[in-house]
Amino acid sequence: AQSVTQPDIHITVSEGASLELRCNYSYGATPYLFWYVQSPGQGLQLLLKYFSGDTLVQGIKGFEAEFKRSQSSFNLRKPSVHWSDAAEYFCAVVELGGGADGLTFGKGTHLIIQP
Amino acid sequence: GAGVSQSPRYKVAKRGQDVALRCDPISGHVSLFWYQQALGQGPEFLTYFQNEAQLDKSGLPSDRFFAERPEGSVSTLKIQRTQQEDSAVYLCASSLERDYNEQFFGPGTRLTVL
Repeated sequence: AQSVTQPDIHITVSEGASLELRCNYSYGATPYLFWYVQSPGQGLQLLLKYFSGDTLVQGIKGFEAEFKRSQSSFNLRKPSVHWSDAAEYFCAVVELGGGADGLTFGKGTHLIIQP
Repeated sequence: GAGVSQSPRYKVAKRGQDVALRCDPISGHVSLFWYQQALGQGPEFLTYFQNEAQLDKSGLPSDRFFAERPEGSVSTLKIQRTQQEDSAVYLCASSLERDYNEQFFGPGTRLTVL
């Protein structure tokens, strides 16, 4: 079965500093990987996705993520965070041909931005 | 255009009551998903529709949970005889096709069972 691990429950970063949120997954053969952001009272918004090809993917709001098959990781990065980036971040995976139709999410990382 | 909408946004039910949660997907989206998000957790898959056909209901936690999408558009998630452990945010998502493309999420319905 697919699973997603986000080892950091909370992360605090100073405004303007760089950010990396970790995501590890277990998968079968062909994972499709996603990062979503959830602000209070808002629905989940897709930041970026990886299906195939270039392992470094660019997303919205200045985020990027790198797929590393050897490490089963898909970490999210941003070079300089803004106060508006404070939110809950979820990594998700679905396995092509794995028989599951819905996304499998991690438990999330709560990002706190300090001035 | 309009995104995915859900109603009600908040629902308080007494234990044992039945509730119905509505999802209006983006017009023309073939696929519709329901997820359950407990406090402090990530969303967990409940069920999936392709048009009006419910193709996967493996995530429904018990036979008290029932979902339908009779005309391939609006969907309703019904929970019978609610229990306290049903308290969660219920998220609906739709996507254009039955492929692993972007799922667009609604704001969710927060259900509190007293």
